[in-house]
Amino acid sequence: DADVTQTPRNRITKTGKRIMLECSQTKGHDRMYWYRQDPGLGLRLIYYSFDVKDINKGEISDGYSVSRQAQAKFSLSLESAIPNQTALYFCATSDAGRYGYTFGSGTRLTVV
Amino acid sequence: KQEVTQIPAALSVPEGENLVLNCSFTDSAIYNLQWFRQDPGKGLTSLLLIQSSQREQTSGRLNASLDKSSGRSTLYIAASQPGDSATYLCAVPVSGGSNYKLTFGKGTLLTVNP
Repeated sequence: DADVTQTPRNRITKTGKRIMLECSQTKGHDRMYWYRQDPGLGLRLIYYSFDVKDINKGEISDGYSVSRQAQAKFSLSLESAIPNQTALYFCATSDAGRYGYTFGSGTRLTVV
Repeated sequence: KQEVTQIPAALSVPEGENLVLNCSFTDSAIYNLQWFRQDPGKGLTSLLLIQSSQREQTSGRLNASLDKSSGRSTLYIAASQPGDSATYLCAVPVSGGSNYKLTFGKGTLLTVNP
């Protein structure tokens, strides 16, 4: 099994729909992150969580929300999806810096 | 604000060539730097992690160096192969201390031609 598992792998949804992307990790790390990747813009941080009770906004959090259900689970929600949220979404986990980041395989989200 | 620049944006080389990818960052108060590989439409695979106390790290045909004082890192790939074709990303923490969030360069797209 992968260290960081994201579901679904691909999703097409309609404008205005609520959608949840899920992430689970087996690394045992406290820190988890959600990034989105767009062509030409690179990877940008949406939300991050340093433990179950610590959730913080990243640089592009508008239109998104998150839930840290357990140390190993971190979900990203789009409350009302819009076409410019079409992107590749990545979940990642890390320790405090010694072992670096581990990324999931990504979720390709298309909003039509 | 930490900014990361990767040069070149794209590179095409013949198989067997040695090559260097460059990464520069504006805030030298980092405690590590990480290089990733990304295949098209796929996730990021960690290649090398260099702690601030280290000057370089090696893994197989890959060697990454770090010069904090000048805000630079290089990724050296020896004897390149077509299977090395991918986008290579460099990432550093946004700031020092315990606030360990990564900021990424936009990557170098490498194509190794048979």
